[in-house]
Amino acid sequence: GAVVSQHPSWVICKSGTSVKIECRSLDFQATTMFWYRQFPKQSLMLMATSNEGSKATYEQGVEKDKFLINHASLTLSTLTVTSAHPEDSSFYICSAGVNLRSSFSSYNSPLHFGNGTRLTVT
Amino acid sequence: AQSVAQPEDQVNVAEGNPLTVKCTYSVSGNPYLFWYVQYPNRGLQFLLKYITGDNLVKGSYGFEAEFNKSQTSFHLKKPSALVSDSALYFCAVRVPGKRQLTFGSGTQLTVLP
Repeated sequence: GAVVSQHPSWVICKSGTSVKIECRSLDFQATTMFWYRQFPKQSLMLMATSNEGSKATYEQGVEKDKFLINHASLTLSTLTVTSAHPEDSSFYICSAGVNLRSSFSSYNSPLHFGNGTRLTVT
Repeated sequence: AQSVAQPEDQVNVAEGNPLTVKCTYSVSGNPYLFWYVQYPNRGLQFLLKYITGDNLVKGSYGFEAEFNKSQTSFHLKKPSALVSDSALYFCAVRVPGKRQLTFGSGTQLTVLP
């Protein structure tokens, strides 16, 4: 089945530093990946949609200059939290779908999720 | 706009008893509906989906869900709960033509031994 690998699983960084999170589709090509943020005991909040070879689409209220997304290949998307602050501490989860950009019929396909990254900013 | 509601933050059930986790949706058009499960500090795992066809959908780990168009509901069910089913469950909806999923607020299921 489709596997999404997310790395690192957890990271602790100091305030003001930047952190990069990688999301890889291991056995399929993902033209579209999604980045979510989850606060404790809350639902997933979609941050942005990452499109291979083009700019990411950010949800309202998400700072694109703070959360940099790069989707340079069909199997890798990265999220960089720049100048991290304690309020950025959260659980970040990526997901990918198969051919979501090109195939209408694949819209009924489930998204496949990485195991998430626990970010703690001290 | 599409939305999903999970009215119960917490559901407790005894092992061996049937369980139900509720979900209602609001969309324009025919929805694609999904259930996911999340274990602590992990990503989401797909359980089942409803696209079209039979209203009763069977999924992983013995779970099933019933699509009810008139009540706009998609409740998750299992005939006999296991302690290992204890986790956070999310209902999600995707409107045809849209790529992203909209998630409900989640329901913490606790199965008591």
